[in-house]
Amino acid sequence: QQPVQSPQAVILREGEDAVINCSSSKALYSVHWYRQKHGEAPVFLMILLKGGEQKGHEKISASFNEKKQQSSLYLTASQLSYSGTYFCGTEGGNEKLTFGTGTRLTIIP
Amino acid sequence: GAVVSQHPSRVICKSGTSVKIECRSLDFQATTMFWYRQFPKQSLMLMATSNEGSKATYEQGVEKDKFLINHASLTLSTLTVTSAHPEDSSFYICSAWVAGGPGEQFFGPGTRLTVL
Repeated sequence: QQPVQSPQAVILREGEDAVINCSSSKALYSVHWYRQKHGEAPVFLMILLKGGEQKGHEKISASFNEKKQQSSLYLTASQLSYSGTYFCGTEGGNEKLTFGTGTRLTIIP
Repeated sequence: GAVVSQHPSRVICKSGTSVKIECRSLDFQATTMFWYRQFPKQSLMLMATSNEGSKATYEQGVEKDKFLINHASLTLSTLTVTSAHPEDSSFYICSAWVAGGPGEQFFGPGTRLTVL
């Protein structure tokens, strides 16, 4: 089953923070986060492996709670370039990614 | 990072014709590649796993006779949409793992297929 992301959409003013959640009904080996701009392929942001790790990438970080089968993506001091649709991709140990329902993020000046 | 290319980037065809999409790993070898389909405003849905030198494995609900996959070399996988119909119009994206890497999947730029 497809992981569920929340919220479905969010509008932020430049400089504001956002949290995007990804929840799976299956046990996870890793969680991948991607950002996709309209008409383009997804761009890799980060990967988190089981073990409850947390990662950071510039002003974008993420956490992975293996027991809860959840991951969260944190965007701080958002920039206009952060606009797009964010997808989590979950992997259960078979190298296949199952993408989440997506979260559309709009940053306004 | 590793680079995956796709060709063509856009294709428009008539209903009933076949269309071939190529996916290449440019600077690494990929024993496994993945094909996804994405309809407007929806998520990416895995169609099949392409394995070099062996048959592709298809996800449930994907017709293997309609979506032919060939992984002839370690750098090339092709997806052929046979007898395309308007409902096959979609964004097709391939990806590949780098063996021994941290687990990141590299995506091609995608192919926009429009069937008239």
